Amino acid sequence: AQSVTQPDIHITVSEGASLELRCNYSYGATPYLFWYVQSPGQGLQLLLKYFSGDTLVQGIKGFEAEFKRSQSSFNLRKPSVHWSDAAEYFCAVPPGGYNKLIFGAGTRLAVHP
Amino acid sequence: DTAVSQTPKYLVTQMGNDKSIKCEQNLGHDTMYWYKQDSKKFLKIMFSYNNKELIINETVPNRFSPKSPDKAHLNLHINSLELGDSAVYFCASSQDGRGTDTQYFGPGTRLTVL
Repeated sequence: AQSVTQPDIHITVSEGASLELRCNYSYGATPYLFWYVQSPGQGLQLLLKYFSGDTLVQGIKGFEAEFKRSQSSFNLRKPSVHWSDAAEYFCAVPPGGYNKLIFGAGTRLAVHP
Repeated sequence: DTAVSQTPKYLVTQMGNDKSIKCEQNLGHDTMYWYKQDSKKFLKIMFSYNNKELIINETVPNRFSPKSPDKAHLNLHINSLELGDSAVYFCASSQDGRGTDTQYFGPGTRLTVL
């Protein structure tokens, strides 16, 4: 069955530092992959998604992610983190391509001034 | 305009009670979902509806009964509430339920069962 794993439960970075959040997927074919962000007390917002084509995907808020088939990964990156980026980040995959998302356990990002 | 809205935002109730959560989307989407987020922030699909028809029921107890009166609404009724039902419930919608669709989430309803 398709699944995603986020190895890091909690990450702390300094404001202005670069960021990489890890996501590994388990699926035989090319998966569809999503990154969502959940700010405190809020719903989830799509940052970016990949389903074909260029393996480097640009998203909102200055985020990007790179699909690497050889490593079964879809890591999220940002070159310079802002305090407002503190949130919970979820990687997700729609198993079988339809009608639901399977989420990773999430990575909580804390940003120090 | 809010794309996906849920009411109420907070719900505190006693064990054994029956409660409902309402969801509305104004995006013209065909597919709507209910997700449950537990205290560890783990998100899990509960139900999916496409054009008012139930597509997915992820082994959720019978005490949970979704109802979709029309494409824009998906409500969740919970009977005989238990302590373990305490969670944040998110409604979401997408264009037609394909894997490439973006799902748009509501702000969540925090349910606390005492």
